Amino acid sequence: DTEVTQTPKHLVMGMTNKKSLKCEQHMGHRAMYWYKQKAKKPPELMFVYSYEKLSINESVPSRFSPECPNSSLLNLHLHALQPEDSALYLCASSQVGLAGETQYFGPGTRLLVL
Amino acid sequence: GENVEQHPSTLSVQEGDSAVIKCTYSDSASNYFPWYKQELGKGPQLIIDIRSNVGEKKDQRIAVTLNKTAKHFSLHITETQPEDSAVYFCALLLGDSGGYQKVTFGTGTKLQVIP
Repeated sequence: DTEVTQTPKHLVMGMTNKKSLKCEQHMGHRAMYWYKQKAKKPPELMFVYSYEKLSINESVPSRFSPECPNSSLLNLHLHALQPEDSALYLCASSQVGLAGETQYFGPGTRLLVL
Repeated sequence: GENVEQHPSTLSVQEGDSAVIKCTYSDSASNYFPWYKQELGKGPQLIIDIRSNVGEKKDQRIAVTLNKTAKHFSLHITETQPEDSAVYFCALLLGDSGGYQKVTFGTGTKLQVIP
């Protein structure tokens, strides 16, 4: 099973709303990632969790708040977003290693900020 | 940081023809080179990968070649079918000191297979 699941599939929110994106994997992977993807562009890394600890924050604004409650779950809490934050948000997971480990992506949450 | 150039940005081929997408990179320490296919409305899916100790890898109609000296790697799709139509991203990974992977993606190639 190489499946990463994400909910919801679509999300529309106002600039004053608070919402959360969820990601789950049961492959035993101990690295999990959030990416943002704008139309016709490659995914851009936002956060990396390794062994449930935040390892990389790619200078993401504080209105995005990640959380890794356990080794299978990854959340992204959203608050006071801007219209330019509208994008496809992708979660990925991988083994932890030094030899180059494959990242498996979920289907993404398509977010529209009004 | 690592830079990956991907060409072409768009590619149209007739069904049954071959398609080739090429990526060049700058950091010789890169050691793992996956290719992802992203269909409309979906997340990227790994289709093939190659490691730096291998020059070529094939999986049915898909093959990847790696030239570490010239720092480029290519995706080859033979006997293309309409369902091959998608955006393809090359990528490379460096193992980080923390054991997690920082991926650099190419800019993407939109492949259209014309029936």
